[in-house]
Amino acid sequence: DTEVTQTPKHLVMGMTNKKSLKCEQHMGHRAMYWYKQKAKKPPELMFVYSYEKLSINESVPSRFSPECPNSSLLNLHLHALQPEDSALYLCASSQDIAQDGKNIQYFGAGTRLSVL
Amino acid sequence: GEDVEQSLFLSVREGDSSVINCTYTDSSSTYLYWYKQEPGAGLQLLTYIFSNMDMKQDQRLTVLLNKKDKHLSLRIADTQTGDSAIYFCAEKSRGGKLIFGQGTELSVKP
Repeated sequence: DTEVTQTPKHLVMGMTNKKSLKCEQHMGHRAMYWYKQKAKKPPELMFVYSYEKLSINESVPSRFSPECPNSSLLNLHLHALQPEDSALYLCASSQDIAQDGKNIQYFGAGTRLSVL
Repeated sequence: GEDVEQSLFLSVREGDSSVINCTYTDSSSTYLYWYKQEPGAGLQLLTYIFSNMDMKQDQRLTVLLNKKDKHLSLRIADTQTGDSAIYFCAEKSRGGKLIFGQGTELSVKP
């Protein structure tokens, strides 16, 4: 089973709302990722968690706040977003981030976010 | 720095072979991946290859790697309309990062 589950599938929010995206995997992976993807563009890395600790923050604005409560779950808390934040948000997981492994990243189906 | 490049569009007839090309810049040993993304969906891993290999075959998919030119290709035999999607080449980088190409939009005409 190589499934990464993301909820919700779609989300519409106003600029003053607070919402959260959720991601779950049960493959025993110790690395989890958040990506932002605009239409017909490659995914852009936002955050990497390794063993439940934030490993990489790609200079993401503070209105995006990641959280990794345990090794299976990854959340992305959203607050005071802008219309340009509308995108597909993808979660991925991999065995770990070791340099000498193949570390295949498995992606979820994404959350389609619209900010009004 | 690291960079991955792909052509943006490819159009083929159903039943033909498709060849999607990619170039990368990292000179160290690394893994290279091909992902497929259908409209409205996430990324699906198709195959991967380590940079010390020349070729990998998996059913209708053949990956060829030219290490000297840092050129990677994905050949899809007997292309079907269900193969229409965006195909991303990606290179493994440090800290778990993937460096993605811009994606090649494959259109399969009946």
